Amino acid sequence: GAVVSQHPSWVICKSGTSVKIECRSLDFQATTMFWYRQFPKQSLMLMATSNEGSKATYEQGVEKDKFLINHASLTLSTLTVTSAHPEDSSFYICSAPRGRGGTEAFFGQGTRLTVV
Amino acid sequence: GNSVTQMEGPVTLSEEAFLTINCTYTATGYPSLFWYVQYPGEGLQLLLKATKADDKGSNKGFEATYRKETTSFHLEKGSVQVSDSAVYFCALMDTGRRALTFGSGTRLQVQP
Repeated sequence: GAVVSQHPSWVICKSGTSVKIECRSLDFQATTMFWYRQFPKQSLMLMATSNEGSKATYEQGVEKDKFLINHASLTLSTLTVTSAHPEDSSFYICSAPRGRGGTEAFFGQGTRLTVV
Repeated sequence: GNSVTQMEGPVTLSEEAFLTINCTYTATGYPSLFWYVQYPGEGLQLLLKATKADDKGSNKGFEATYRKETTSFHLEKGSVQVSDSAVYFCALMDTGRRALTFGSGTRLQVQP
């Protein structure tokens, strides 16, 4: 079964509104989670690293004020797309590595965001 | 920085044909290497992995060998099925950071 759960799986919102996406590790604690973005027919690009108890680390070119990340607990990270615009429409995927030093990364099911 | 280069698709094969999807990487240190598969409308699933040189990852008839000397991790399958139609991503994990760097993905279409 899934070990990382992402919700919602799809969402449609109006321009200017904000959308929150949740990522939960179901049977393990994740001090770090990663958020990726995938444009249609393209690869996944790392957006940011979510750190429990501290600020997220954003990749170059990712607006931290637009993509707010909160790692509220050892099993939950949230990504909020603020003041969404059509160009924010994309597939967002979270992942969490399990275990200290482990090489296995578990992915959420992904969230397809459509901004109209 | 780290990078992954994989062959462009789409790759179109007939059922039972042999599959190779090339993947090469650039990284500092000794990364772990992965192949992920994405079926239409779904998220990523780990297909196989290798964590050190000369390791061979295998799953569902797919194989890939970690070749440090050629910095490659080519995906192979001896006989593909229609159900293998998907997008395949090669990726590496920097063990220090544990984030993944992905290749561009290769779409495989298997025809009956």
